[in-house]
Amino acid sequence: AQTVTQSQPEMSVQEAETVTLSCTYDTSESNYYLFWYKQPPSRQMILVIRQEAYKQQNATENRFSVNFQKAAKSFSLKISDSQLGDTAMYFCAFTSINSGYALNFGKGTSLLVTP
Amino acid sequence: NAGVMQNPRHLVRRRGQEARLRCSPMKGHSHVYWYRQLPEEGLKFMVYLQKENIIDESGMPKERFSAEFPKEGPSILRIQQVVRGDSAAYFCASSDGGTSGANVLTFGAGSRLTVL
Repeated sequence: AQTVTQSQPEMSVQEAETVTLSCTYDTSESNYYLFWYKQPPSRQMILVIRQEAYKQQNATENRFSVNFQKAAKSFSLKISDSQLGDTAMYFCAFTSINSGYALNFGKGTSLLVTP
Repeated sequence: NAGVMQNPRHLVRRRGQEARLRCSPMKGHSHVYWYRQLPEEGLKFMVYLQKENIIDESGMPKERFSAEFPKEGPSILRIQQVVRGDSAAYFCASSDGGTSGANVLTFGAGSRLTVL
């Protein structure tokens, strides 16, 4: 079974600064997908960014980028120019065809952006 | 496109009653996933369904919980004889099964169940 570990329960960053959230995972599969989801106080789950394991290039979405290290099984999220609206829980997730594409989530990192 | 619709948003039940949570997937999506989120925790997979079929129910408790996704109508997560430990947010997600590339799940806003 795949496990997803987020070792930072809480983090804080000042507005306009950069913050990196860590995620590691364990799998024996070679083809899979990794995601970061954001859950603001409204509790809606919002897709932030995704990465296909077969792609070496790190995914980017505006201020959000990932550092995907396949050999190390690491998938960190970098948020640049942090904004107050980025305050949320951030969940790292793993999926593959072997799991029917059901997402396996980490426990989350609570990010607080301060003025 | 209304997205994934879940109702009710909030449901209160007394111990021993039944809870029914409904999920209408996004238009064009035939794959539905149910997740449970306990307070201060991440989402835990419960069940994966396609139209009229349960594909994977490895995350479902063996007793009192059931799910269906009929040919017509929404997917239903049913919890019989609820107990206080069932209090949680239940999220539904849908996808097109990867026909448009990576199987990206779109989530509903969740249904919060409170058992008194």
